[in-house]
Amino acid sequence: QVQLRESGPGLVKPSLTLSLTCAVSGGSISSGDYYWSWIRQYPGKGLEWIGYIYHNGNTFYKPYLKSRVTISVDTSKNQFSLKLSAVTAADTAVYYCARYRAKPAANFDYWGQGTLVTVSS
Amino acid sequence: DIQMTQSPSSLSVSVGDRVTIACRASQSISNYLNWYQQKPGKAPQLLISAASSLQGGVPSRFSGSGSGTDFTLTISSLQPEDFATYYCQQSSTTPHTFGGGTKVEIK
Repeated sequence: QVQLRESGPGLVKPSLTLSLTCAVSGGSISSGDYYWSWIRQYPGKGLEWIGYIYHNGNTFYKPYLKSRVTISVDTSKNQFSLKLSAVTAADTAVYYCARYRAKPAANFDYWGQGTLVTVSS
Repeated sequence: DIQMTQSPSSLSVSVGDRVTIACRASQSISNYLNWYQQKPGKAPQLLISAASSLQGGVPSRFSGSGSGTDFTLTISSLQPEDFATYYCQQSSTTPHTFGGGTKVEIK
């Protein structure tokens, strides 16, 4: 059973960089046709895909976030990370890491429990 | 970006009712449509993929249909554990996008 767990600061000051890590257990991050994803959920409901990374390092980002987002993978630690720079209050959300299974059916099949990140001074 | 529009945004129903939730894509996505269930304080959980394929362990009272731009999630007889928020999501192209959610509440 694959499990994902997010970790990182719950409070980030405006203009600084949000950094989160997702540890993957129960399977290798390097195997299979999977993309390792970050998704956030704003207070109140909306879900937003931020981007994902393949184990070879190829990344795909939501275009309007691309200038501020970096997703990286550490296969030796079986984990991947999110950095979001120049944060504002609008980046306050619950951040989820998730596995995207590309084939045979493209979907987010495993999710972490989520971590709330608040941007405030 | 492909916009995903769900309706209704909320509905009040009773145990045993039949529930239908609609999801419309702003352009054709073939059958690259997934449904998720989310309970308060929890991560979304995949229910249905490829528009109509039930995930393992999901009760058969859940079903999905549709292709192209119009999709439907149906719960044939609502059970107490089904009160939750449901989201559709398209995987046709990046950026992946989600519908705004439908909250199913107890009447």
